[in-house]
Amino acid sequence: AQSVSQHNHHVILSEAASLELGCNYSYGGTVNLFWYVQYPGQHLQLLLKYFSGDPLVKGIKGFEAEFIKSKFSFNLRKPSVQWSDTAEYFCAVISGGFKTIFGAGTRLFVKA
Amino acid sequence: DSGVTQTPKHLITATGQRVTLRCSPRSGDLSVYWYQQSLDQGLQFLIQYYNGEERAKGNILERFSAQQFPDLHSELNLSSLELGDSALYFCASSVGQGMNTGELFFGEGSRLTVL
Repeated sequence: AQSVSQHNHHVILSEAASLELGCNYSYGGTVNLFWYVQYPGQHLQLLLKYFSGDPLVKGIKGFEAEFIKSKFSFNLRKPSVQWSDTAEYFCAVISGGFKTIFGAGTRLFVKA
Repeated sequence: DSGVTQTPKHLITATGQRVTLRCSPRSGDLSVYWYQQSLDQGLQFLIQYYNGEERAKGNILERFSAQQFPDLHSELNLSSLELGDSALYFCASSVGQGMNTGELFFGEGSRLTVL
């Protein structure tokens, strides 16, 4: 069955530190990949997405992600985090079926 | 504001009861998805409808059912409630389906507490 794994459930960083959140998926065919963010008390919203083309995609608020097909990975990165990046981050995948499958989420806390 | 409306925002009920959660998708979106978010299980896909028809099922219990109406709003019915059903239930919508789904737009969720 299709699955999405996020390696870190909780991450604590200081402001200005670099961020990398891991995401791996299990499906071997064509995939569409997403990162969503859920700020405290808010609904999930899209950070960035990959459908095809350049495997390095840039999203909002300085986030980027790299699709590495050989590793079935779509890691999220940000060079310098801010306190306002404190949120929960979800990786998501659509493969051949109709379902968008989400990872378990990573809770990021940025210390001011 | 995502354009997806969910009601009620909060609901407290007792075990054994039945509740209905309602979702209005973004204008123009034909697909509606239901997800359950709990602390220990993350965001679990329950079910998807496209233009009134069920398209995909996830880990939805038999006690739960859903439908999408001609005006495209959707309802999730939860019956014979158990303590473990306490969770945040999200509705999302998108224009397309399958590999043409694109971005999902989420509502703010309905927080269900079963006592």
